[in-house]
Amino acid sequence: QLQLQESGPGLVKPSETLSLTCTVSGDSISSSNYYWGWIRQPPGKGLEWIGSIFNSGSTYYNPSLKSRVTISVDTSKNQFSLKLSSVTAADTAVYYCARLWGLVAAVIDYWGQGTLVTVSS
Amino acid sequence: EIVLTQSPGTLSLSPGERATLSCRASQSVSSNYLAWYQQKPGQAPRLLIYDASSRATGIPDRFSGSGSGTDFTLTISRLEPVDFAVYYCQQYGSSPYTFGQGTNLEIK
Repeated sequence: QLQLQESGPGLVKPSETLSLTCTVSGDSISSSNYYWGWIRQPPGKGLEWIGSIFNSGSTYYNPSLKSRVTISVDTSKNQFSLKLSSVTAADTAVYYCARLWGLVAAVIDYWGQGTLVTVSS
Repeated sequence: EIVLTQSPGTLSLSPGERATLSCRASQSVSSNYLAWYQQKPGQAPRLLIYDASSRATGIPDRFSGSGSGTDFTLTISRLEPVDFAVYYCQQYGSSPYTFGQGTNLEIK
């Protein structure tokens, strides 16, 4: 059974960099044909696509966040990571990691449980 | 960017009734690449429908999706107590991939 688990600090100061890691179990990132991605949800609000990565390192980022986002993959640890720089209070959200499926690798068929990251001094 | 508008914002129905949720796109969704997700409080969303009308694995057949172009619908034929949740549509036909603001399906 595929499982994804987010980890990282729950509190980040304004202007600093948010860093999260997603550990995948039940599937191998290096041998799968799936993309892996990040989606976020501000408290009480809707969902926002952040970006995705393939095991080759090929990435896709939401243009609205592209200047601040880096997604990377570590196949040896079966993990992928998110870095979001220069954060503000608007970046406070539950961050989900996910497996992406389909011809355009954008259908989210497996989700992590999510982790709340608060941006505050 | 394609903006998805879901209606109604809140839908109050009783178990056993039929629910019809709408998702309207600001421009045509390429290849009808539209998905529906269900989210319960404190949980991650769950995939229900992809490619506008294909049910995801394990999803009961009381859930169905339809539509094309700019107008899409999620129908729940006979509501069960576990179906009361927030529902989101997502388009993945063009970048950036976007979500609707959600419809809250609540018990009447």
